[in-house]
Amino acid sequence: SQQGEEDPQALSIQEGENATMNCSYKTSINNLQWYRQNSGRGLVHLILIRSNEREKHSGRLRVTLDTSKKSSSLLITASRAADTASYFCATAGLGNNRLAFGKGNQVVVIP
Amino acid sequence: EPEVTQTPSHQVTQMGQEVILRCVPISNHLYFYWYRQILGQKVEFLVSFYNNEISEKSEIFDDQFSVERPDGSNFTLKIRSTKLEDSAMYFCASIPTVEGTEAFFGQGTRLTVV
Repeated sequence: SQQGEEDPQALSIQEGENATMNCSYKTSINNLQWYRQNSGRGLVHLILIRSNEREKHSGRLRVTLDTSKKSSSLLITASRAADTASYFCATAGLGNNRLAFGKGNQVVVIP
Repeated sequence: EPEVTQTPSHQVTQMGQEVILRCVPISNHLYFYWYRQILGQKVEFLVSFYNNEISEKSEIFDDQFSVERPDGSNFTLKIRSTKLEDSAMYFCASIPTVEGTEAFFGQGTRLTVV
């Protein structure tokens, strides 16, 4: 079964800096999604990139996808204290939308 | 903006008791899911539901679990006889179509089994 897995990281950065997280997976995918989770709260969808796309932007977010390496990265530019959260990648397989989540990256943005 | 709502937000139950977790998906969505997240661990898929039946389930979703869509709006997850290891955050999610779209998650129900 496919599985999104982030490089296990806890990032601590200063406000205004960029934060980069990586994710790798094992099998063919339909799309890859990034979610944010504030402590003890629900999952908020950030961005979806399809398997035929290589890069996507949404506001301060930039996602890349390399299907040959089965990896993705999420870049948050000009970070803010409010970006402090855990970030998860999740992959959706071919023919279904069951999401396989990675372990998450905890990001702390220091004001 | 439409959202997925879950109740209760927190439930404490005695081991061996039955619990029902409730979800109201977004009204025009067709596919419904339950996921769980044990504290500090990954979000894990439990079950997907479409057209009033289970379309896929994981190995976690054993005979102790069941799902129902008793009316046109609610989507429930029942755990018949809770175990300590069922303590987790349970998330409901819905999507409008099968064609590679984002999942909309509820805020979750924190289940604590004592």
